[in-house]
Amino acid sequence: GESVGLHLPTLSVQEGDNSIINCAYSNSASDYFIWYKQESGKGPQFIIDIRSNMDKRQGQRVTVLLNKTVKHLSLQIAATQPGDSAVYFCAENPYNAGGTSYGKLTFGQGTILTVHP
Amino acid sequence: KAGVTQTPRYLIKTRGQQVTLSCSPISGHRSVSWYQQTPGQGLQFLFEYFSETQRNKGNFPGRFSGRQFSNSRSEMNVSTLELGDSALYLCASSLSEGTDTQYFGPGTRLTVL
Repeated sequence: GESVGLHLPTLSVQEGDNSIINCAYSNSASDYFIWYKQESGKGPQFIIDIRSNMDKRQGQRVTVLLNKTVKHLSLQIAATQPGDSAVYFCAENPYNAGGTSYGKLTFGQGTILTVHP
Repeated sequence: KAGVTQTPRYLIKTRGQQVTLSCSPISGHRSVSWYQQTPGQGLQFLFEYFSETQRNKGNFPGRFSGRQFSNSRSEMNVSTLELGDSALYLCASSLSEGTDTQYFGPGTRLTVL
């Protein structure tokens, strides 16, 4: 039968606006979180990361907020530009009992960001 | 510093065939992880290699296998291809431990007919 694809959330903004992309993660024991940007035909590109001992981290035009109480992650992009249009993924590194989960990132479904000039 | 490279970029195979994909990590990176990306399932972890040893494996059938060489380059193999194996296969490298930042290559687009 025909497979049903993931229905990705979408966010449309005007150039120059600030964007906020949200992500709910699943494992309360995860200790490392990353945001990636994926443009069409390319692999995911690292944007910013944060560890569980922090609740905020800033980069160039981007800020990641972590709320461990409600298991929520957000990515804020300031002064959004057309070049920011892409699919944005959050990823977590789940913590296996007895040790680090080697090399395994668990990804969210992604959010499509469209920036209109 | 060069990024992660993957070859080939595109591949078309028929059901029942096997395929080998290659990944060269960023110089100095010793951990290589593989992921499958499909519209239906998103990004899913396949396995991770470090110092030629598989340290972690995702929930994929045994038809999916991999290896890592002494220079950290990695290959993954899929045997007895099925239509559902059509996907973008991504490789990511990191310095060493599982919580290091992973940097992705451009992927290999596999189409199974």
